[in-house]
Amino acid sequence: AQKITQTQPGMFVQEKEAVTLDCTYDTSDPSYGLFWYKQPSSGEMIFLIYQGSYDQQNATEGRYSLNFQKARKSANLVISASQLGDSAMYFCAMREGGDNDMRFGAGTRLTVKP
Amino acid sequence: KAGVTQTPRYLIKTRGQQVTLSCSPISGHRSVSWYQQTPGQGLQFLFEYFSETQRNKGNFPGRFSGRQFSNSRSEMNVSTLELGDSALYLCASSLGLGSRDQYFGPGTRLLVL
Repeated sequence: AQKITQTQPGMFVQEKEAVTLDCTYDTSDPSYGLFWYKQPSSGEMIFLIYQGSYDQQNATEGRYSLNFQKARKSANLVISASQLGDSAMYFCAMREGGDNDMRFGAGTRLTVKP
Repeated sequence: KAGVTQTPRYLIKTRGQQVTLSCSPISGHRSVSWYQQTPGQGLQFLFEYFSETQRNKGNFPGRFSGRQFSNSRSEMNVSTLELGDSALYLCASSLGLGSRDQYFGPGTRLLVL
């Protein structure tokens, strides 16, 4: 069963505007972590932000914030003030329990237009 | 602090051959996970090692194996290569099990002809 769903294969955003990338997940484990990674064309996965299932507040890291809605099982990534360098693939991932194996979504290709 | 390093970065092999990929985690990190990324299947978990022991294994055939050394460096081996094994192989390191941070290396691009 698909555990992580990213419904937007591609997104466009104008430079300096904000954009939201969607992610929904499915788990019955009360303890889990949600991750967002950026993958430029070079291939390296760059860690952006993390949200734990017990975290009370939404995670923020600079221009990245995570809109965590636990009851709806969604963990959308918000990028504020988009920059041209933000153009890349973005992956949502989930880790359950105390293990480190992560399940990834299919990814969203974000293109920032000048 | 140096990041995760993977060698080689690029590799071309032919069907039936075997290949060994190497991953050196961030200093102090004891957990190493391996992932395969293909256009068709996306990112899939291969296996995870912690303290030289395999902790988890994904749904891959026995041709895929790995190990971890006492210095936390890890290798993965694919025997009897098939065309479908062409992929980007990513290694990730973290401090330990359940760590919130998992850092990826640049990957090894394997092409099987």
